[in-house]
Amino acid sequence: SYELTQPPSVSVSPGQTARITCSGDALPKQYAYWYQQKPGQAPVLVIYKDSERPSGIPERFSGSSSGTTVTLTISGVQAEDEADYYCQSADSSGTYPYVVFGGGTKLTVL
Amino acid sequence: EVQLVQSGAEVKKPGESLKISCKGSGYSFTSYWIGWVRQMPGKGLEWMGIIYPGDSDTRYSPSFQGQVTISADKSISTAYLQWSSLKASDTAMYYCARPLYSSSWYGFDYWGQGTLVTVSS
Repeated sequence: SYELTQPPSVSVSPGQTARITCSGDALPKQYAYWYQQKPGQAPVLVIYKDSERPSGIPERFSGSSSGTTVTLTISGVQAEDEADYYCQSADSSGTYPYVVFGGGTKLTVL
Repeated sequence: EVQLVQSGAEVKKPGESLKISCKGSGYSFTSYWIGWVRQMPGKGLEWMGIIYPGDSDTRYSPSFQGQVTISADKSISTAYLQWSSLKASDTAMYYCARPLYSSSWYGFDYWGQGTLVTVSS
């Protein structure tokens, strides 16, 4: 089955830039989406279609794509950004596409 | 205001059946897919499947096909996730979610608050 691979953890100091990657063979053909999830809360969409930001999401969140890897970048990380981050995309190799999540990355703000 | 409101927490025994719900409001319920996502304790997000309430077209992740049933009642703007025989391994938080665009399955921008299902003897 199709998999999206994320690093289990990323650590940064406040004010630095955090980069979280997500790798998958179908990413050149399918958009990626990114979610932030804080403990005890439902996920929040922070990036859609590789690099678009939903309304209400701070400008410090950005997304990019290169080949089989997409990257979520958080510039000027703040303490409130500490959370789990998940990428999402689609596996279109079967009869119909279905959604896949990456394993998640825990962002720690030191 | 778009809202997805899920039914409350459940405690069940192995072998019992269960149906949890997700009521949508503030948008055209029949025009957007509704997906279900599982999150086991301390683990990541897993996409279970999705339904289009307009015509009840339903698709399942291969991992969940045959394990659960997704349905919807458009007359009351409610989607459902059900089990016929629960297992301890079904213990998890279950979320419903709506995609950004009416034509899409992806990019869930609205989420329910989650329903915690605990299965224990």
